[in-house]
Amino acid sequence: NAGVMQNPRHLVRRRGQEARLRCSPMKGHSHVYWYRQLPEEGLKFMVYLQKENIIDESGMPKERFSAEFPKEGPSILRIQQVVRGDSAAYFCASSRIPPGTNYNEQFFGPGTRLTVL
Amino acid sequence: AQSVTQLDSQVPVFEEAPVELRCNYSSSVSVYLFWYVQYPNQGLQLLLKYLSGSTLVKGINGFEAEFNKSQTSFHLRKPSVHISDTAEYFCAVSLTGNQFYFGTGTSLTVIP
Repeated sequence: NAGVMQNPRHLVRRRGQEARLRCSPMKGHSHVYWYRQLPEEGLKFMVYLQKENIIDESGMPKERFSAEFPKEGPSILRIQQVVRGDSAAYFCASSRIPPGTNYNEQFFGPGTRLTVL
Repeated sequence: AQSVTQLDSQVPVFEEAPVELRCNYSSSVSVYLFWYVQYPNQGLQLLLKYLSGSTLVKGINGFEAEFNKSQTSFHLRKPSVHISDTAEYFCAVSLTGNQFYFGTGTSLTVIP
């Protein structure tokens, strides 16, 4: 059973370009979470999605950032018109709800390191 | 709102010595508590978690943590560290298991 997959692992963009980060959850997982890790900082929650639905986007910047998790295919985090401050590691996690509990253990992918020149 | 404080940004320790990484949290309600480890250029791996029950939680790689409700702490300990334990360690809290709040991390360096 493969773990959470993220690609690309490294992405370089020039200011003003678009960045697309992809996340394939673990098999059987229908919940996806995106986090951003700035240099020397911990992970900051961005958004929580289930298939075709955004459940909680309280951590998403109001502009330029969007996320989706379509019925088929990976979850996509999209950053339009990137700026240098967007340079960070972006981690995806996935989970499923174990029967009989409301706790979702999250399994993390290896991350995408975005560098904006 | 929940928040997590990891008091030590860097902890150097000699091989085979004990180590404690400190974590304090603030929350007005009961939370779930976690420790994750991040090796260079990798994602986070769950070390251990506290959901309920016994306050002493044992995790992988010989790590354990103790939940102290009165002190709102969840310190991570290992009696004897190895070189391979060199990594970044993150404490996290969650109210529902959906949204996690992470500390800023503690960089553990094991010295031969």
